[in-house]
Amino acid sequence: KNEVEQSPQNLTAQEGEFITINCSYSVGISALHWLQQHPGGGIVSLFMLSSGKKKHGRLIATINIQEKHSSLHITASHPRDSAVYICAVRSWDSNYQLIWGAGTKLIIKP
Amino acid sequence: KAGVTQTPRYLIKTRGQQVTLSCSPISGHRSVSWYQQTPGQGLQFLFEYFSETQRNKGNFPGRFSGRQFSNSRSEMNVSTLELGDSALYLCASSLETGLNTGELFFGEGSRLTVL
Repeated sequence: KNEVEQSPQNLTAQEGEFITINCSYSVGISALHWLQQHPGGGIVSLFMLSSGKKKHGRLIATINIQEKHSSLHITASHPRDSAVYICAVRSWDSNYQLIWGAGTKLIIKP
Repeated sequence: KAGVTQTPRYLIKTRGQQVTLSCSPISGHRSVSWYQQTPGQGLQFLFEYFSETQRNKGNFPGRFSGRQFSNSRSEMNVSTLELGDSALYLCASSLETGLNTGELFFGEGSRLTVL
């Protein structure tokens, strides 16, 4: 079993829909990262969380440390949100190594 | 403030050759990590350096090596190249805190093609 699991692996939605991407982990962490990679593009950090909730524009990230679960929400989704969204955790169980999820490929249709 | 700079951006090598890739982190960042990304695959962790010391290493053969200099710039080297080494190699830097947390900043990558 992977230490960081993302779901769904693929998600296709219509423009305007509310999007939720989930990340579950099984290790002790000091921080959780959400990142975005557009097709053929670089990787951009969206959020770094150690507790609670953060919001940036239409993006919201939450984390529940007790349940070892985080969600990334996109409100009023737009085709430009189409990208791969990646969850990664900084694990104090393994010398603070970053452990990566497999990513969620999101496609927003106009 | 300048971002993470990776050089070269593109390179073509033949099997058996060796290659060195460079990563200059954001000024003040002491942590540099390297990743391999192949088509259809997620990020595969190679190694992480902090203050010139290798802190973590991924599950790659010994042909993959790296180092970090006193100015935090990092290099990775792949010797005896194989076709399967063709990939995008990404570098990320972060500003470490006492809790080993820091936002990640990625470079644009070095795309290696092995013929």
